Amino acid sequence: GAVVSQHPSWVICKSGTSVKIECRSLDFQATTMFWYRQFPKQSLMLMATSNEGSKATYEQGVEKDKFLINHASLTLSTLTVTSAHPEDSSFYICSAREKRQGGDLAKNIQYFGAGTRLSVL
Amino acid sequence: SQQGEEDPQALSIQEGENATMNCSYKTSINNLQWYRQNSGRGLVHLILIRSNEREKHSGRLRVTLDTSKKSSSLLITASRAADTASYFCATDAWFGQNFVFGPGTRLSVLP
Repeated sequence: GAVVSQHPSWVICKSGTSVKIECRSLDFQATTMFWYRQFPKQSLMLMATSNEGSKATYEQGVEKDKFLINHASLTLSTLTVTSAHPEDSSFYICSAREKRQGGDLAKNIQYFGAGTRLSVL
Repeated sequence: SQQGEEDPQALSIQEGENATMNCSYKTSINNLQWYRQNSGRGLVHLILIRSNEREKHSGRLRVTLDTSKKSSSLLITASRAADTASYFCATDAWFGQNFVFGPGTRLSVLP
């Protein structure tokens, strides 16, 4: 199946620093990538939708200046947590939707990265 | 509010038993998908069922969809310890709209 690589898998940083997380689709083109946040024992909450070559669409309550998203190519999106604080500590997961040629719009499968655990001290 | 709501929130069974998880949603959907998440890991796509389908099988997995009741169920037969994970349903209203995930069911399969 399609592979999405997310890096790093775990990062510890000091409060006030910025952290960049990369999400790559390895064997397919992804016109749309999604960034989720997940707190322990909770579900995934969508933070933003990233379309290649355009500005990301942020969900209500997500600070766009805090969580900078760049989707410069069909295989790479990055999430930068700026001036991180302890409350930003969480599990961040990206996913990519495969660009399908022609037909079947019903097959909207997202492929997920392994996630990045961010711990802000 | 969440579109998908899984039930039960936690389920503990013995190896070899069947596990059934349910998902309810609120609005019309294009398709519904089930994902598995091992602790501290990303999500793995299990199965997709379209709104015009009623049942789908994949190996030991069986998914049903009842659009009149806005509900779906995931059955894992002959469960194994390796099936221990959280299971999420995600609904997709139409192409381009974002998935909405339910809170998940934490399944524990005891050896």
